[in-house]
Parts: sequence; structure tokens; C-alpha cells
Amino acid sequence: GQSLEQPSEVTAVEGAIVQINCTYQTSGFYGLSWYQQHDGGAPTFLSYNALDGLEETGRFSSFLSRSDSYGYLLLQELQMKDSASYFCAVSPDRGSTLGRLYFGRGTQLTVWP
Amino acid sequence: SAVISQKPSRDICQRGTSLTIQCQVDSQVTMMFWYRQQPGQSLTLIATANQGSEATYESGFVIDKFPISRPNLTFSTLTVSNMSPEDSSIYLCSVYQGSAAGASYNEQFFGPGTRLTVL
Repeated sequence: GQSLEQPSEVTAVEGAIVQINCTYQTSGFYGLSWYQQHDGGAPTFLSYNALDGLEETGRFSSFLSRSDSYGYLLLQELQMKDSASYFCAVSPDRGSTLGRLYFGRGTQLTVWP
Repeated sequence: SAVISQKPSRDICQRGTSLTIQCQVDSQVTMMFWYRQQPGQSLTLIATANQGSEATYESGFVIDKFPISRPNLTFSTLTVSNMSPEDSSIYLCSVYQGSAAGASYNEQFFGPGTRLTVL
């Protein structure tokens, strides 16, 4: 089976830094992705880690430790528009079925002024 | 990047009926995926649809309940058959382009979703 755990909700103020953790137990592992979803919207890709370490993309960074089955998404300089749900997702395969994703339950981030 | 449209955007159906959801992509893609997202919940992968082969279903999903067609590289349909209220959900299609077309490696693009309510 597949199990991804992340906090259900996080709150922070504008300008702050927030970290959303994700631990996973899956039958296969090739990479960890993060997606953002605003209410009523489609999920949009934020970041992807296949190797241990930190990936930085503007205000967002993502980290992976394969040995710990753990990753996190770091959001810096929070803005009101960052209020959304954030999902971690595991790619269990490589090759022809690399696109399959198993999602965590999502973390609802609320940013206060 | 890929632009994906879905039809219908929403529907209200009676139990026991079937609904076919269409997914159209603006570029040719090898792999398309169908997900279900119940309100406030996570996304659950239903099946992988590759052109020229039968869809591959995840555990808990069967072809009789969710038949899928993939007639070409830009289009797919998902049918929700013999619906019950438990099928009320948002159904999303997505595509994976790999490192081609300027997409980040392993980036998936999602359609806007079809919000289904079964009475």
C-alpha cells in the first residue's frame, strides 16, 4: 500500500516562512513532488526531488531525504496568495509509468495579513 | 506546458445512470491519467490511459465501473457507470510530458476537473 503523511493545516502571517513536512511509505519510490491547489482550481506543479537534497525555485524550496522517507516544502516570504492546499506526491515507478502519482491528504495553508 | 480542457465542468446525475467525461489536450502526449478528488480530500489515481493499449487501473478501481477510452494522443474519456452517491466527486485528468516541451521533469498538468454530484 501507499501512505503519505502531512499536516492537515498550517497557519502563518505574511512575510513569514513555513515548512510543510511529508513522510511516506510506498511500495516503490522514484521521486517526490509538490503541488499547490487553490479552492476550486486544478493542482499546479511546484517542485520535484528525485535525489537527496534541496531544490530551490524562487520563494519555494523542496527537500528530500530518501533514507528517512521524508521531504518538506519550504515557503518563504509568504504572501496572501499562497493560501491554498499543498500536496506531496510520490512517483512510485520509473520508465513508462513514471507519471503515476500517489498523493498525500494535503495541507491547508492559511496566510494572515 | 500543456493546456487541458474537460467536459462537462459539472453535472448532477441520478443514481444508476452513467456519465462520460471528456479530456482534451492541446498537444500530443503519451500518457494520460484520471484522478478522483472528493471534497476536501486528496487526489486518488484511478487509472493510466496510454494510447493504443488498454487502461491500467489502480487497486480498488475496475474497468466495468470506470471504462476509459484513449482513441488518440490528445483525447481520452472516463465513464462513471451505474453511479451511486458515493461517486460524487471531482474527476480530473492529467498529462505527463516528462522533460519534453519545456516542462519540468516529472511535472504533471491537470485539467480543471469535472464536479459530479449523484443524487
